[in-house]
Amino acid sequence: DIVMTQSPDSLAESLGERATINCKSSQSVLYSSNNKNYLAWYQQKPRQPPKLLIYWASTRESGVPDRFSGSGSGTDFTLTINSLQAEDVAVYYCQQYYRTPYTFGQGTKLEIK
Amino acid sequence: EVQLLESGGGLVQPGGSLRLSCAASGFTFSSYAMSWVRQAPGKGLEWVSDISGGGENTYYADSVRGRFTISRDNSKNTLYLQMNSLRAEDTAIYHCAKAGMTTVSGAHYYYGMDVWGQGTTVTVSS
Repeated sequence: DIVMTQSPDSLAESLGERATINCKSSQSVLYSSNNKNYLAWYQQKPRQPPKLLIYWASTRESGVPDRFSGSGSGTDFTLTINSLQAEDVAVYYCQQYYRTPYTFGQGTKLEIK
Repeated sequence: EVQLLESGGGLVQPGGSLRLSCAASGFTFSSYAMSWVRQAPGKGLEWVSDISGGGENTYYADSVRGRFTISRDNSKNTLYLQMNSLRAEDTAIYHCAKAGMTTVSGAHYYYGMDVWGQGTTVTVSS
């Protein structure tokens, strides 16, 4: 199985600042035939289902604010949230969909200072 | 509007069975792979199972293989999860989710899960 490890487990940043969440996979999730990284990011707010933010490691889902951006390739990925807003308080998960089982990271809890 | 609505959760004794349903609307159901993902109380997300659009291919997490069966009825736009031999560790909210998909030069590429249901709660306890 591909193990996804996120860091940090939690972080607190001030409103208007930048938050950075890292995700590392135990194997590359870059599919050589199409040069796509099979990596997604989700946001989960309390008592809500997860929401897809980013797929192919860096493609923003329709309707997601451009404050959210994804980067990285192979085994190392980053979710960056610029100009933090109060509504960004949530748990963020990375997930690989390169091969089953489609494993998630353990989650990173983002709070506002 | 694309919607997924789960049902069928409840309280069941260890060793018992439940069948979850997920009613889909707002998209061509048969064109998309579908997933079940669960979340134990206070824990993270765990992928459980996937099924291809036509139902011919199914995939399971090791933790449920041999006990759970995923299926779909495309004529009813409904996804199912039959859960047998339930254990306390199966206690969780179960979400169904639709695969995201793009088509490039006639080829379909699935990307994660772009629509999620609110979930149905399964509690396994005596």
